[in-house]
Amino acid sequence: SQTIHQWPATLVQPVGSPLSLECTVEGTSNPNLYWYRQAAGRGLQLLFYSVGIGQISSEVPQNLSASRPQDRQFILSSKKLLLSDSGFYLCAWSRTYPAGSYNSPLHFGNGTRLTVT
Amino acid sequence: GQNIDQPTEMTATEGAIVQINCTYQTSGFNGLFWYQQHAGEAPTFLSYNVLDGLEEKGRFSSFLSRSKGYSYLLLKELQMKDSASYLCAVVGYQKVTFGTGTKLQVIP
Repeated sequence: SQTIHQWPATLVQPVGSPLSLECTVEGTSNPNLYWYRQAAGRGLQLLFYSVGIGQISSEVPQNLSASRPQDRQFILSSKKLLLSDSGFYLCAWSRTYPAGSYNSPLHFGNGTRLTVT
Repeated sequence: GQNIDQPTEMTATEGAIVQINCTYQTSGFNGLFWYQQHAGEAPTFLSYNVLDGLEEKGRFSSFLSRSKGYSYLLLKELQMKDSASYLCAVVGYQKVTFGTGTKLQVIP
């Protein structure tokens, strides 16, 4: 079976500090990978998605970046955190199917609650 | 781009039926997901619609009308544990866009 691991579960960081959140998927190959952010009381905002190693699409201009150094590893980074970066960060994966065919649901990790102080 | 609308909050009584609506406008449509999210937790998958009509899965059903850009999630025999946010998500090309969610409160 497939599992997704995301860590850490909670993080408190000062403004201006760097950030690195890691996500790994087990039990599948060549998954689509996603980073979402959910601010308090808000919906899920898509930050980045990746359809393969080294292929990253950014949805929102910001001080965050993402990388996919291995097939099942997805990393979210920042060089300098802002107060507005606080939120609940969720990594997700889905299977890859040919375009126009079935779409796999997204399966989420448990999330990282980031508080920037 | 994509625009997804859901009611912000709803309240329903235990044992009753509730319908949560979702309307969307999208430049490319490849299906629609419904997710449940309890407070402080990650969303969990409920249903997937790509063709018009009703998909039933136990107490939960989901309906889609592509021509109207409309979907609903129907929850029957409500239980207290169904109190959660319900997220409508539209599948575009290679990415999934979520609505802001409907917070459902089930009362005794």
